[in-house]
Amino acid sequence: AQSVTQLDSHVSVSEGTPVLLRCNYSSSYSPSLFWYVQHPNKGLQLLLKYTSAATLVKGINGFEAEFKKSETSFHLTKPSAHMSDAAEYFCVVSRAGSGNTGKLIFGQGTTLQVKP
Amino acid sequence: KAGVTQTPRYLIKTRGQQVTLSCSPISGHRSVSWYQQTPGQGLQFLFEYFSETQRNKGNFPGRFSGRQFSNSRSEMNVSTLELGDSALYLCASSSADASTDTQYFGPGTRLTVL
Repeated sequence: AQSVTQLDSHVSVSEGTPVLLRCNYSSSYSPSLFWYVQHPNKGLQLLLKYTSAATLVKGINGFEAEFKKSETSFHLTKPSAHMSDAAEYFCVVSRAGSGNTGKLIFGQGTTLQVKP
Repeated sequence: KAGVTQTPRYLIKTRGQQVTLSCSPISGHRSVSWYQQTPGQGLQFLFEYFSETQRNKGNFPGRFSGRQFSNSRSEMNVSTLELGDSALYLCASSSADASTDTQYFGPGTRLTVL
C-alpha cells in the first residue's frame, strides 16, 4: 500500500528566508512523487514531479525537491520565500499498474505562511 | 491550450437531491480523474475514466457515479445528497497513464448541501 505523510501541518517563515516542507512516503514499488500547490479558492497546480530520473528535481517558482530512497523522503525546498508563496502544499504519491490508474494519494497538506 | 474546465463553479443543494458536475479535460487528454476535498478527510480519489471506461474507483458509496463521453468530457453524479457531501470536487486530466503522467487540475466545483 502507498501512503504519504507531511510532517508539518503549518509552517511559518519570514519573507526572504528558506522554505522547507517535509514529506515522507511509503511505497512497495518505485513511486512517482509530486508536489502540488493550492492557493485559496483555486485548483491544484503542479510544482514538480519525480519519476526515477534525477533525484534532485527542479520545479516552478524556484522550488526543488530531493528524492532520498534511504530515508523515504521527498522534502520541498526554496532558498528564499516570497509573499506569493503563501498557500497550501500537497505531497503526492502514485504508482503505475492496473488498479492504480488515475489514483493520486495526497498527504494532508502543509499550510505555508510567509510573514513580511 | 486551454486548461481543465469545470462547471458549475458553485452549487447549493438540499439533502436528498441529486447533482451533476461537469469536467472538460485539456484537449488531447483521454484520462479524467475525480477527487473530493474536505477539511476533515483531505483530498480523496473518487474514480478515473479513460476512453469512456471507468478504470479505477476509490472507496466511495454507490451514490457517487460518473461517466465519460467520446470527446473525453466527464460528468460525475451524486444522488441522494447528504450533508457530508459538501466539498470541493476537483477533476484532473492526463494524457494516458494517469498514475504516472502529470495530472492537471481544474478549479473545482464547490458543492454545499443544506
